[in-house]
Amino acid sequence: QVQLQESGPGLVKPSETLSLTCAVSGYSISSGYYWGWIRQPPGKGLEWIGSIYHSGSTYYNPSLKSRVTISVDTSKNQFSLKLSSVTAADTAVYYCASHYGYPDWFDPWGQGTLVTVSS
Amino acid sequence: QSALTQPRSVSGSPGQSVTISCTGTSSDVGGYNYVSWYQQHPGKAPKLMIYDVSKRPSGVPDRFSGSKSGNTASLTISGLQAEDEADYYCCSYAGSYVFGTGTKVTVL
Repeated sequence: QVQLQESGPGLVKPSETLSLTCAVSGYSISSGYYWGWIRQPPGKGLEWIGSIYHSGSTYYNPSLKSRVTISVDTSKNQFSLKLSSVTAADTAVYYCASHYGYPDWFDPWGQGTLVTVSS
Repeated sequence: QSALTQPRSVSGSPGQSVTISCTGTSSDVGGYNYVSWYQQHPGKAPKLMIYDVSKRPSGVPDRFSGSKSGNTASLTISGLQAEDEADYYCCSYAGSYVFGTGTKVTVL
């Protein structure tokens, strides 16, 4: 059974880079699947940030593409998100999730981690 | 890409049926059969309830069903139960992924 767990700083300063990692257990990332990031500002809806295939192919939300980098580390069985030049609008709960194909559905999800952008 | 449009809230009594609509365009909902639905309880991660418009994952009660007509997808909860009270989000492929605005389901 695939399980995902996000980790990273809960507070990031404006203009800096947000960095999060999603540790995968119960499945080897190098075996396949796509691995994605989705965020949810407090009290608001969900927004897909981007996804990566185990081989390293990436797919990004066009509205965030210029600031997003998603990478995979098969040796550590984890994947990561970097979002540059953050502002208060990037304050959100960030979820990692897996999907079998592209396109496909998101399942399962990590528990989420709140990242606040503030000086 | 604009978020898909969902009603802000719907409500029903236990045992009743409620339907949540998810309206997009021919570039997303209407153009692909890649519509999924997620249930989210307060403070929890979303949970997959429906995929590929109308397919139900193992473990999801059969009172949850999905359909699509044109640019609008729908999630129906039949025999509403107290534990169904949550937020629900649709999601469609559109070259990338776009989510709906979310609907709060209240069990009266």
